[in-house]
Amino acid sequence: GESVGLHLPTLSVQEGDNSIINCAYSNSASDYFIWYKQESGKGPQFIIDIRSNMDKRQGQRVTVLLNKTVKHLSLQIAATQPGDSAVYFCAENIFGVGNTDKLIFGTGTRLQVFP
Amino acid sequence: AAGVIQSPRHLIKEKRETATLKCYPIPRHDTVYWYQQGPGQDPQFLISFYEKMQSDKGSIPDRFSAQQFSDYHSELNMSSLELGDSALYFCASSLGLRLEYGGRYGETQYFGPGTRLLVL
Repeated sequence: GESVGLHLPTLSVQEGDNSIINCAYSNSASDYFIWYKQESGKGPQFIIDIRSNMDKRQGQRVTVLLNKTVKHLSLQIAATQPGDSAVYFCAENIFGVGNTDKLIFGTGTRLQVFP
Repeated sequence: AAGVIQSPRHLIKEKRETATLKCYPIPRHDTVYWYQQGPGQDPQFLISFYEKMQSDKGSIPDRFSAQQFSDYHSELNMSSLELGDSALYFCASSLGLRLEYGGRYGETQYFGPGTRLLVL
């Protein structure tokens, strides 16, 4: 993914509001997408995924929307809580050499939740 | 549920030294991936292994090598360390690619807590 160095895009929301984090992907052949949450000093944590035969998938308080026409993903978090504060990455799963795969991450978005 | 285990969690090395990072995948996961994440950046794919064979390589320097052992754990060996190698190194594991209905489907990659490498 394209790096923005230390200056990640930031989304600030009030506790209880809904959050929407957006992501553009590059490979039109990608058919599997994952959202990860990364807290400071920790590894990316799986949140929700979606395959290209769907345009919406819901989890607990989270919804992922996929628009293949414009190669766009969004993550919606309902009733955002302080514990949701983290950096969020979208990742596209692409096929590598032979029967292998790998993740290509988009630029992360820092979500800050204030009381 | 068991997660991916990485060791050590923190490592401080001098320039030109070597380092070995270890990864223990989730039980029954046969595919291991290594990613490097610089400060404020997104994780970048380095290398992957499936059934103890190297699968794919990304932007991994020639100074780095890796392997997967018979118990599926993996080690990333880094030699002639440079200041720019300072980063978080993550290991992820998955069930690899699922082949069915004439197609290929990626499975979810689960990440370990990472090793923070600082090269002085």
